[in-house]
Amino acid sequence: DSGVTQTPKHLITATGQRVTLRCSPRSGDLSVYWYQQSLDQGLQFLIQYYNGEERAKGNILERFSAQQFPDLHSELNLSSLELGDSALYFCASSVGPGAPRETQYFGPGTRLLVL
Amino acid sequence: GQQVMQIPQYQHVQEGEDFTTYCNSSTTLSNIQWYKQRPGGHPVFLIQLVKSGEVKKQKRLTFQFGEAKKNSSLHITATQTTDVGTYFCAGPGDMRFGAGTRLTVKP
Repeated sequence: DSGVTQTPKHLITATGQRVTLRCSPRSGDLSVYWYQQSLDQGLQFLIQYYNGEERAKGNILERFSAQQFPDLHSELNLSSLELGDSALYFCASSVGPGAPRETQYFGPGTRLLVL
Repeated sequence: GQQVMQIPQYQHVQEGEDFTTYCNSSTTLSNIQWYKQRPGGHPVFLIQLVKSGEVKKQKRLTFQFGEAKKNSSLHITATQTTDVGTYFCAGPGDMRFGAGTRLTVKP
């Protein structure tokens, strides 16, 4: 158990809908990262927050948005969902920037299926 | 951010054979991390390398960081079925995860 929690575990929805994925980082970690992993693919970095502020942005679509709240939990919002958005979404947390604080601890993921 | 390049993409070995995956960057890395993702699981941190030429061992796994700090490798001696999974390297900061090497082991 990494200490990172993600809810829900599974999500099935229809095209055009909007969903929110939630992540709670490990106790003491200030950074949260979001990744998308399609079937048998690598980890596509979406976005990183550090202590409530956006720190880095990857290949995140305009239909997607995220935020980190004062209690450090984070939410990833996916809207106008398309079939291609079906994937495993991982959240990871780390203490903060700079080695060794950048070691990332991953949550179990949310499996999203868009029908 | 830049992404580290990782090869090979897939590797299938007979149990007992050795396995190596390589990670390369065009720029000097302050550190590199390695993760393992078992089938159906989430990535799990294995190790971080920081020093030029550093070599670290974890049982049958040997991790190396190049002298120029632009490349790294993970070598598994005498693979076992428990080694099955995808191995990722990751650079620091804005450097993203490599594409991963998916290892399958035939018993």
